[in-house]
Amino acid sequence: KNEVEQSPQNLTAQEGEFITINCSYSVGISALHWLQQHPGGGIVSLFMLSSGKKKHGRLIATINIQEKHSSLHITASHPRDSAVYICAVFVGSQGNLIFGKGTKLSVKP
Amino acid sequence: DAGITQSPRHKVTETGTPVTLRCHQTENHRYMYWYRQDPGHGLRLIHYSYGVKDTDKGEVSDGYSVSRSKTEDFLLTLESATSSQTSVYFCAISLGQSDTQYFGPGTRLTVL
Repeated sequence: KNEVEQSPQNLTAQEGEFITINCSYSVGISALHWLQQHPGGGIVSLFMLSSGKKKHGRLIATINIQEKHSSLHITASHPRDSAVYICAVFVGSQGNLIFGKGTKLSVKP
Repeated sequence: DAGITQSPRHKVTETGTPVTLRCHQTENHRYMYWYRQDPGHGLRLIHYSYGVKDTDKGEVSDGYSVSRSKTEDFLLTLESATSSQTSVYFCAISLGQSDTQYFGPGTRLTVL
């Protein structure tokens, strides 16, 4: 049973394009995280949100609790944005993060 | 960047041998986690700790044990490594249970 689903699994874009990555979940959550995994393997936390929207630079994350859905947007994409983007949800009853399988983004110059 | 190191960074071992991976933090975070990452799967929790000597099992804990004798160190032990434990292992830390997690650089383990 996949409690966290991401789409698309793979995404190729041209530099400058607006990118959207989606995350849907099937359980009640108290927080949702977006992480970035670089090609070298390192994992960095981008956002943690429980409602509304957050912005950091060219990255925007939104969440709709009623629809159990979150999106990560990248404006003016750049080849350095190429990475795997991972959605994870915190389910209080389980006490830990549940991770999606990730979306692999490749931005071509 | 949060101060988290993992050692070793790479290890090749044989089936049946014991293996210990170390996670060290300098951030004084209460929670520490061990995950494994495999192709086709998301990160999966092996064990976590919520304080010195306080640990609990995660989703894929069979074949693994952990210990936390100091705030800064969290050890993951494979008592008798199997080929199915070939994976990349990540340590993470967080202040609170639902807070942002900061990840270590990972350890690539190959069991032959």
